[in-house]
Amino acid sequence: AQKVTQAQTEISVVEKEDVTLDCVYETRDTTYYLFWYKQPPSGELVFLIRRNSFDEQNEISGRYSWNFQKSTSSFNFTITASQVVDSAVYFCALSELNSGNTPLVFGKGTRLSVIA
Amino acid sequence: DTAVSQTPKYLVTQMGNDKSIKCEQNLGHDTMYWYKQDSKKFLKIMFSYNNKELIINETVPNRFSPKSPDKAHLNLHINSLELGDSAVYFCASSQAPLTDTQYFGPGTRLTVL
Repeated sequence: AQKVTQAQTEISVVEKEDVTLDCVYETRDTTYYLFWYKQPPSGELVFLIRRNSFDEQNEISGRYSWNFQKSTSSFNFTITASQVVDSAVYFCALSELNSGNTPLVFGKGTRLSVIA
Repeated sequence: DTAVSQTPKYLVTQMGNDKSIKCEQNLGHDTMYWYKQDSKKFLKIMFSYNNKELIINETVPNRFSPKSPDKAHLNLHINSLELGDSAVYFCASSQAPLTDTQYFGPGTRLTVL
C-alpha cells in the first residue's frame, strides 16, 4: 500500500498565483515525521520542512506555508504568489519509527511549472 | 566546503561491469543513506548506516554492496551492472536516523549501456 500519496502529478500555474500541493499519508504509528523536499531542474534535493506528529501547528516561511492535519492525515504545502524559480518537483516524505515496513517513504512527487 | 559530496557526477558503463560511487559528508552526522531515483523521478531508499552499522537494507539486489569505512563516508559498489540499474543515485546524511533532516548530495547519474 502506498504510504505517501501526492495525487497531483503535474501542476501548471501562472506567476503570482497561489498553489497548493497535496500530501496524504498512511501510518499506524503515533510517532512519525513528515518532510517536504524540492528538486529543481538542476537535480539536487533541497530540504524545505520537517514536522513531527506531535506538532500540528501550521508553519509559514516567507511565501511557503504548510498545513498539517492529523484528522485527515494530510500535510499540504502552499506557495503564495508563485514565481518561476518555484518550478521544480516537490516531494513529501514520511518517516515511521516503529513500522515493520520501509521506515522512510517518499511520495511520487508533484511537478510544478510556474509560467511567466 | 560542500556538505555532502559524491563522485563521480556522471558514470557511463557497459552491462556486466563493476563500478563504485563514493560519498563523503563533512557535517559530522552519524547517519548516511543511499537512494535510487528512477527515470520517473521515484525516489527510493536503498541503504542506511548509523555509526558505520547497517540499519536499513531495502530489498536491493545483492549486486549492490554499501561500505562505510568511517562515519563520514558511505560508498556504493555495484557488481555486474544491468540496464535497469540506470538511474540517479543520491547519497544523504543526517544526525539521527530517519527523524532528522537529511542533506542530500548532488547525485550520480549512472547510465548502463
